[in-house]
Amino acid sequence: EAGVVQSPRYKIIEKKQPVAFWCNPISGHNTLYWYLQNLGQGPELLIRYENEEAVDDSQLPKDRFSAERLKGVDSTLKIQPAELGDSAVYLCASSLFGDNTGELFFGEGSRLTVL
Amino acid sequence: GENVEQHPSTLSVQEGDSAVIKCTYSDSASNYFPWYKQELGKRPQLIIDIRSNVGEKKDQRIAVTLNKTAKHFSLHITETQPEDSAVYFCAAHTNAGKSTFGDGTTLTVKP
Repeated sequence: EAGVVQSPRYKIIEKKQPVAFWCNPISGHNTLYWYLQNLGQGPELLIRYENEEAVDDSQLPKDRFSAERLKGVDSTLKIQPAELGDSAVYLCASSLFGDNTGELFFGEGSRLTVL
Repeated sequence: GENVEQHPSTLSVQEGDSAVIKCTYSDSASNYFPWYKQELGKRPQLIIDIRSNVGEKKDQRIAVTLNKTAKHFSLHITETQPEDSAVYFCAAHTNAGKSTFGDGTTLTVKP
């Protein structure tokens, strides 16, 4: 079974440029998460989807970040414009809705460097 | 919201020794406590988890204990091996489906 797939793995951009990250969750996983991971820190939730509905986006900086999950499968996270402080790894994860284990299956992450 | 504190931030042990990592949480509604291992440049992967109705769980060299009253849980690794070297994250999970992570512990096992 394929795991969570993310692309691109690495992205280097100039500040003020836009950037987008894509995530394909495990088939059948209704819940999708985007996390931000700074160096030396744990993942911090940006947004959580149940199917196509964003059920928790309280930590998403909505002035520059946006996300969508059309048709409740793939998701895209966008930053526009990017700032130096956005340099981090963006992790996508998925889990089964209604599965009380809560285990998260992570992708490899997208490492963003803003120059 | 939930706050998870993890200690120590770094831990160095000799091969064969035991390693213990501790986490505390603040939200009494948290009911599921997973531990993830993240090797350098790799994705976090679940290694063991425990639910709030269980006090201890063991899987070969790894064990987790939970004290609901004190709101803390710990990861125990016995007979450590060099391949155990990684960053370990604890997390606390609520019925609302949200997981809050600790800041991680970098474990180094010296041969």
